[in-house]
Amino acid sequence: GNSVTQMEGPVTLSEEAFLTINCTYTATGYPSLFWYVQYPGEGLQLLLKATKADDKGSNKGFEATYRKETTSFHLEKGSVQVSDSAVYFCALGGSRGAQKLVFGQGTRLTINP
Amino acid sequence: DTAVSQTPKYLVTQMGNDKSIKCEQNLGHDTMYWYKQDSKKFLKIMFSYNNKELIINETVPNRFSPKSPDKAHLNLHINSLELGDSAVYFCASSQATAGNTIYFGEGSWLTVV
Repeated sequence: GNSVTQMEGPVTLSEEAFLTINCTYTATGYPSLFWYVQYPGEGLQLLLKATKADDKGSNKGFEATYRKETTSFHLEKGSVQVSDSAVYFCALGGSRGAQKLVFGQGTRLTINP
Repeated sequence: DTAVSQTPKYLVTQMGNDKSIKCEQNLGHDTMYWYKQDSKKFLKIMFSYNNKELIINETVPNRFSPKSPDKAHLNLHINSLELGDSAVYFCASSQATAGNTIYFGEGSWLTVV
């Protein structure tokens, strides 16, 4: 079945550092890939997505490229801020029909000033 | 203006009680979902309805019963609550087409004591 493996957390960085959170997946067909973010005490928000190979999703300075050859969708940001502190989830959606999202285990990110 | 709204946000109840969580979406989507987030932040789908019809039913105790009176509503009823049911329950919605974004509510924090 489909699965997502995320970089183990927690991750702690200083402000303005470069961020990478690794995400790899196993899936049949051509899934869509998503990054969701959960700020403390809040619900899940879509951060970015990509629906086909070589697509790059981007939002709020974050980027991720759908790499079919390496089955990866790593999240990157060039210069993180304290406000980026949150839990980040990589997720995989089905290639057809209703979206049964399969989530990675989440990576807690803390940015220190 | 809230796209996916669920109530209550916080619920503390005793073991053995029956409780319901309500969810409404105003996005015009045809598919709604319930996800469960455990204490380790792991997210897993429980149910999905498309146009009021159950289409995804993961391995969930039959004490959990979803009900969809119309496309815009998906309620979750839980009978005979157990300590292990303590979690955050997220309602979500989307259009049932691969790659479409799933929009999540803010979550309902359930604590069983």
